[in-house]
This record gives sequence, structure tokens and C-alpha cells, in this order.
Amino acid sequence: EVQLLESGGGLVQPGGSLRLSCEAAGFNFRVYAMSWVRQAPGKGLEWVSYIRGSGGNSYYADSVKGRFTISRDDSKNTLYLQLNSLSAEDTAVYYCAKVGGNYDPIDWGQGTLVTVSS
Amino acid sequence: QPVLTQSSSASASLGSSVKLTCTLSSGHSSNVIAWHQQQPRKAPRFLMKVEVGGNDKKGSGVPDRFSGSSSGADVYLTISNVQSEDEADYYCETWDTNTRVFGGGTKLTVL
Repeated sequence: EVQLLESGGGLVQPGGSLRLSCEAAGFNFRVYAMSWVRQAPGKGLEWVSYIRGSGGNSYYADSVKGRFTISRDDSKNTLYLQLNSLSAEDTAVYYCAKVGGNYDPIDWGQGTLVTVSS
Repeated sequence: QPVLTQSSSASASLGSSVKLTCTLSSGHSSNVIAWHQQQPRKAPRFLMKVEVGGNDKKGSGVPDRFSGSSSGADVYLTISNVQSEDEADYYCETWDTNTRVFGGGTKLTVL
């Protein structure tokens, strides 16, 4: 069974930084593409970033490009998202997802809440 | 960049069927759409992938009441014998070489 457990969320001041983690289990983590998706309060899902498996490239939504960095440690089966220069517009629940290839199922974590406020 | 358009809301009576639509913008290279369900105060749940012009492939444990289909640029999620627990937000998603995108979501109300 695929398990994805996010952590690292919390309250941070505008301009601050945070690192989110997503611990994965139940599948061969290193070969799968992984994604971060966020959901602001009362809003829809917004894709943030994804990283290919096996040391592949990473990609970002325009809204976070230059401020967020996705990475992975395949030895620890863990996905990360470094969030810098945070603003109130970044307040959201952040979900990690195993996205795989075109015909693979997608699995979601339970999410971690990031609140940017002074 | 692909764009997905969904109606903001839909409703269905208990036991009836409902068809939700996700319209894919032109010039989009991916031919696969994913559907996700998000019940109130829960994380999203993957329902299925639909190949445009082809079949659907459901996720583990997804009831047979849920099915996917397509016609031209429209991709559908059909829910048969609607149950109260189907009241949720439904999102379509697709991807390109270097981006992923979600539709705005459809809020389904079960009457």
C-alpha cells in the first residue's frame, strides 16, 4: 500500500522560509515522478512543482518559480519542498502526490498546512 | 500550457446518474486526463485516468459506479446510482512535458 506522509508545515512570517517533507513507503520511490500540489483556503487545487524519478528534471508553476525548490532523497524515500520568500498568497494545504507515468495511478498524501501571517 | 475548464457546480438526486465535463484546450499534447474526488475536509482521492478517445483506468477501490469517457475535447466523469457520499468536489488534471494543470473543480451536490 502506498503511503505518503507530509510534514513541516506551520505558521511563518511573510518573507520567511519553510521546508516541507513527504516520506514515502510502499513503492519503489526512486523511479516515480513526484509532485507538490497546494490548496488555498476555500479554493481549488493548484499544481506547484514536480520532479521526475531517477534523478530527472524538476518543473515549477510560474507562481512559485524562483522561490520554491523541489528535491528528493531517494536513499531516504523522501520528497522535499523548500519554500522561500513566502507571502500570504502561499497560505495553503500542501499535498505531495506520487504521479508516475501517463497510465500509473496517482496517490495523495494527507497534506500539511502552511500559514503565512505576521 | 494546457487549460482545463469545468463547470463550477452540478447536482444530482440520490440514485440518479450525473455526468461531469472537463474540456481540454486546443494544442494540448497529452491525451490522458485524471479525475480526482475531494470530499469535504479531506485530501483528494484519485478516481481514474481517461485516455482521450480510449478507455478509463480506475484507481484501487473506486466503485464501478464511476466511469470515464470522452468525446472530442470533452472528457467526462459519469457517476451512476449517486450516493450521499458522492457529494464532493471533482477535479480533472492533465500534464504536459514540463507542467501539470488542474481544472477549477466541480462541486457536486446530492439532493
